[in-house]
Amino acid sequence: EAGVAQSPRYKIIEKRQSVAFWCNPISGHATLYWYQQILGQGPKLLIQFQNNGVVDDSQLPKDRFSAERLKGVDSTLKIQPAKLEDSAVYLCASSHISYEQYFGPGTRLTVT
Amino acid sequence: RKEVEQDPGPFNVPEGATVAFNCTYSNSASQSFFWYRQDCRKEPKLLMSVYSSGNEDGRFTAQLNRASQYISLLIRDSKLSDSATYLCVAAGGSNYKLTFGKGTLLTVNP
Repeated sequence: EAGVAQSPRYKIIEKRQSVAFWCNPISGHATLYWYQQILGQGPKLLIQFQNNGVVDDSQLPKDRFSAERLKGVDSTLKIQPAKLEDSAVYLCASSHISYEQYFGPGTRLTVT
Repeated sequence: RKEVEQDPGPFNVPEGATVAFNCTYSNSASQSFFWYRQDCRKEPKLLMSVYSSGNEDGRFTAQLNRASQYISLLIRDSKLSDSATYLCVAAGGSNYKLTFGKGTLLTVNP
């Protein structure tokens, strides 16, 4: 079974630039999550989708972050404009019906 | 107060040692609990669920005390391959939200 795919794996941008991350969940998984993991911290949920609807985006900084999952499969997370404190690993995860979430390899973002 | 708090670590132990990680959670409505393992520069992976009756998986034993809102993980006979960050997780709510602790870094030395 293929795992959660993410791209790019690494991205370096300057502050105030824009960046987008892509995630393809495990086939058949209705729930998709985006997490932000800052160095030395645990993952923090940014947004959760159930199919193509948003379930929880309470911790998403909506002034600069946006995410979509238009067809209920792939998802993109965008940051515009980026700040230095956005430097982190952005993890995508998916789950079927249980609590077990399967994580992708993440995108490591460096904002300079 | 953080929702999930873990021992700050890091832990450095010799091979064969027994090591215990502790974790507390603040949301009494949390329904399920887990330990995830995260290797350096890799994604988190589920290690084991934690049940009130306690559960064991080989060298790993997890315990949950709902009254104290306390979770633990015991690793016996540590192996070099156990070196990783261990993340304590509380889950709850209708949307199955996971809340992660900061993680505790374990290094097992030869």
